[in-house]
Formats: sequence, C-alpha cells, structure tokens
Amino acid sequence: AQSVTQLDSQVPVFEEAPVELRCNYSSSVSVYLFWYVQYPNQGLQLLLKYLSGSTLVKGINGFEAEFNKSQTSFHLRKPSVHISDTAEYFCAVSDQHAGGTSYGKLTFGQGTILTVHP
Amino acid sequence: DGGITQSPKYLFRKEGQNVTLSCEQNLNHDAMYWYRQDPGQGLRLIYYSQIVNDFQKGDIAEGYSVSREKKESFPLTVTSAQKNPTAFYLCASSETGGQPQHFGDGTRLSIL
Repeated sequence: AQSVTQLDSQVPVFEEAPVELRCNYSSSVSVYLFWYVQYPNQGLQLLLKYLSGSTLVKGINGFEAEFNKSQTSFHLRKPSVHISDTAEYFCAVSDQHAGGTSYGKLTFGQGTILTVHP
Repeated sequence: DGGITQSPKYLFRKEGQNVTLSCEQNLNHDAMYWYRQDPGQGLRLIYYSQIVNDFQKGDIAEGYSVSREKKESFPLTVTSAQKNPTAFYLCASSETGGQPQHFGDGTRLSIL
C-alpha cells in the first residue's frame, strides 16, 4: 500500500520570499509523483509531475520539485512567491506498473495550505 | 475547450434521500474517477472506471454507487446508506492507465 505525508498542514510566508512545501511518500514499488494546486471552491490543477528522467522537475507558475528516491521525498519549491500563490497544495503518488504504464489510481497527501502575506 | 463538467455546484440532501452528482467529460478519456474531499484529509478515492460498462471500488465506496454507460459520463449516487455525506466531491479523468488526471470544479454536498 502507498501513503503520502505532507509534513506541514499550513505554511505562512511573506510575498517575494522563497517557500518549500514538503512531501514524503511510502511505496513498495516504483512510483510517479505529482503536485496539484487547489484554489477555494475549485478543482485541482496540475502543477508538475515526475514520471521518469531528470529528478528536478519544473512546473507552471515558477514552481519546481526534486525527486529524491533515497529519502522518498518530492518537495515543492518556489524562489519567490506572490499573493496569487495562496492556495492549498496536494502531493500525490501513483504506482508504476511493469513496463512503466501507470495504473491511474492516485493516493493524495492531506494538503498544505500556503498563505502568502503582503 | 475540452474539460470536465460537474453539476450542480452545490447540492442539498434531506435525511434518507439519494442524490446523484453529474460528471461529464469531452476529453475523450477512457478512465474516470470520483474523489471525496474533507478538510485536512486530502482526497480519497470512491470509485473509478477504466472503460465503459466497468468500474471498481476505491478506498471508501460504502454508501455510494456509480454507472458508466457512456464514455463521457460517470455519475455518482450518494445513497441514504452514506451516513456522513457532507463533503466536496471531485470528478477526474485520464487517458487509459495514464497520467495526469484532469479534475472538474467539484460539487459541494450538504445535509439539510
């Protein structure tokens, strides 16, 4: 069974400061990793994904994440945040099947609420 | 533009009543999913379907039912057996066995 732990439920930060949202996962098989963002009363929007290749993944809105297999982590970072980045962020994991085809089921972390203050 | 449409945006249910949440997609995706979101618990998988006329239970299927008669549609029924139905429900779709999943804007269900 898989599990995802987002280490911080809330992260307050000032505008233009850097931010890191932490995510650790547990799985007995190889995984795909994702970060999604959710604005109030809306669905989830994909920020970035790690499927294979380079462990440093760049996404939309200036976000990036690094896959660390030995530490089973996939932390999300942004060097300078904006007020508009205020939202809830979800880390998610999906099994790779043999041959690298994802089964499709996602396991989500509990979410981290990022609040950017002026 | 292609996407996922969930309706209604807000839904109210009386005790002992079944309600059905609609999810329609025009992305030509084979796989569709239903998630339940509660504050501080992330998203939990209710049901998923990888092909028309086939679906499987997720982690919290009790008190819910689905159908998949058309590729574009995956309605979720919250039955009276679901004792704590108040939540935000999200529908998603993806290419067969593929990633990433695309999400609708959700339906918020409340009990009167």
